[in-house]
Amino acid sequence: QLQESGPRLVKPSETLSLTCSVSGDSFTNYYWSWIRRPAGKGLEWIGRIHSYGNIFYNPSLKGRVAMSVDTPKNQFSLSLAAVTAADAAVYYCARDPAGSGSFDYWGQGILVTVSS
Amino acid sequence: EVVLTQSPDFQSVDAGEKVTITCRASQNIVRSLHWFQQKPDQAPQLLIRYASQSMSGVPSKFRGSGSGTDFTLTINGLEAEDAATYFCQQSDSLPWTFGRGTNVEIK
Repeated sequence: QLQESGPRLVKPSETLSLTCSVSGDSFTNYYWSWIRRPAGKGLEWIGRIHSYGNIFYNPSLKGRVAMSVDTPKNQFSLSLAAVTAADAAVYYCARDPAGSGSFDYWGQGILVTVSS
Repeated sequence: EVVLTQSPDFQSVDAGEKVTITCRASQNIVRSLHWFQQKPDQAPQLLIRYASQSMSGVPSKFRGSGSGTDFTLTINGLEAEDAATYFCQQSDSLPWTFGRGTNVEIK
């Protein structure tokens, strides 16, 4: 199981920070991704991380994104800097087997609002 | 990046009918194409991976086909529980990308 957590309200220009907690074993056997869906729009892949240090960010986020992993806690995190209203979305974490891009398990999602 | 053009955007069908959703990639992605179903207020669920491999527990009425640039998701015998948005997604080359989604409504 995957569970997202973090502030649900972020002010414009500040940093969005979310954590995904993963239950079960084999955390180090998978890639882990962040995906978001703005209201009324489609899904956007944000990036992925592996506990061995392999990271890839979607270039569309123009250097604002950072991910990290805490293997002993079976958690991985997302930071998105300088947020605007366009970053308001439901954010999902998902498991990516072998970096295949076929996301087989997802968190329930967390709605993040950007407002002052 | 690979652009996925999904059509139609919306389809309203009677229960028991068939729906066909297409996904066209901007370049050859071989068979690295996956289909998801997302119901309101739920996370997406992987239905089909690698164009035609059904995930465990997915009813046989969901069928994926295609290769190269053209892919299809067919849903036979639609039921009320199939009302959802369906997305295609490619994993041939990073960044992974999604289609815009098809909203399927049951009349």
